[in-house]
Amino acid sequence: DAGVTQSPTHLIKTRGQQVTLRCSPKSGHDTVSWYQQALGQGPQFIFQYYEEEERQRGNFPDRFSGHQFPNYSSELNVNALLLGDSALYLCASRPMRAEDEKLFFGSGTQLSVL
Amino acid sequence: AQSVTQPDIHITVSEGASLELRCNYSYGATPYLFWYVQSPGQGLQLLLKYFSGDTLVQGIKGFEAEFKRSQSSFNLRKPSVHWSDAAEYFCAVGPNYGGATNKLIFGTGTLLAVQP
Repeated sequence: DAGVTQSPTHLIKTRGQQVTLRCSPKSGHDTVSWYQQALGQGPQFIFQYYEEEERQRGNFPDRFSGHQFPNYSSELNVNALLLGDSALYLCASRPMRAEDEKLFFGSGTQLSVL
Repeated sequence: AQSVTQPDIHITVSEGASLELRCNYSYGATPYLFWYVQSPGQGLQLLLKYFSGDTLVQGIKGFEAEFKRSQSSFNLRKPSVHWSDAAEYFCAVGPNYGGATNKLIFGTGTLLAVQP
């Protein structure tokens, strides 16, 4: 059983470009959350998707958007990239109704903005 | 404001020594509390969690944590550290209702180094 998978693992972009990161949740999971982890920092919540809708959002600008597909996979899109967007982007999944609150994380996509 | 503070950025312990990693939180009500571990190139793995009840919780890999409401703390401990425990450790909080892990607040992490 594959866990949470993210692609690509590494990505280099230049300022002003747009990027799309992808996430496949663990089998049986229907809820996907995205986190940004800057160097030397803890992960920061970007948003959460369930039933193909954004359900919660952290303190991130509208340049950050997402999508969830019927198969529960998800994309994170970032427009007009800034140098400060350089970070590790983590995807996490869980079953919405799981009482154990166990969140499974992928290994992340390392985004470098030059 | 809701926040999590991990005052120790970097800790070095000798293999076999005991370990305590500190975590303090600021939250409107008693939150759900979590400790995660992140090894290089890996995602975060849940070590343990506290929801309610017994304030001393046991986790995987021999870790335990104690919730102290009066101190707003949730410190992580291990009696004897192994070289494989070298990693970064994150304390996190979420609201105390279903779906807590849909929107976690993480601390800045403590990087643990283990000396032979």
